[in-house]
Amino acid sequence: EAGVAQSPRYKIIEKRQSVAFWCNPISGHATLYWYQQILGQGPKLLIQFQNNGVVDDSQLPKDRFSAERLKGVDSTLKIQPAKLEDSAVYLCASSLPPRGSFNTEAFFGQGTRLTVV
Amino acid sequence: AQSVTQPDIHITVSEGASLELRCNYSYGATPYLFWYVQSPGQGLQLLLKYFSGDTLVQGIKGFEAEFKRSQSSFNLRKPSVHWSDAAEYFCAVGASTPLVFGKGTRLSVIA
Repeated sequence: EAGVAQSPRYKIIEKRQSVAFWCNPISGHATLYWYQQILGQGPKLLIQFQNNGVVDDSQLPKDRFSAERLKGVDSTLKIQPAKLEDSAVYLCASSLPPRGSFNTEAFFGQGTRLTVV
Repeated sequence: AQSVTQPDIHITVSEGASLELRCNYSYGATPYLFWYVQSPGQGLQLLLKYFSGDTLVQGIKGFEAEFKRSQSSFNLRKPSVHWSDAAEYFCAVGASTPLVFGKGTRLSVIA
């Protein structure tokens, strides 16, 4: 079974530039998450999708971050404009259960390491 | 609000020695508990999970964890550590909500 695919693996941009990350979840997984992991910390949820709808985006900095999941499969996360403090690893994860069900297991991609200079 | 505390930022153990990583959680309902491991430059891999039933759960790579409701803890153990176990370990809690992670414990293994 193929895992969660993310690209690119690494990205270096200057502050105020824009950047986009792509995620392809495991086939058939209804739920998709984007997490931000700052160096030395645990992952923090940015946004959760259920199929192509947003379930939770309460911690997404909406003035600069946006995300979409077209057709309930692939997802993109965008930052515009980037700030120095956005330097982090952006992890995508997917899980099987539909909304209202309980978490069984979230499968993570390898992440995209973003450096903003 | 749910939260996870991993009191130890960094632990160093000798190869072959036993290991215990601590995890305390706060959750308003019956928790689902997870331990993930992250090697440098990699994503998170699930080691084990607890949903219900037997409070001692077995995972991959020889790891186990014990759920203690009275102490709100879910400590990870391994009887004999291998050099390849050096990594970052994250405890997480969640059930009908997305996972909340602790800050992680970095494990170093010395010869």
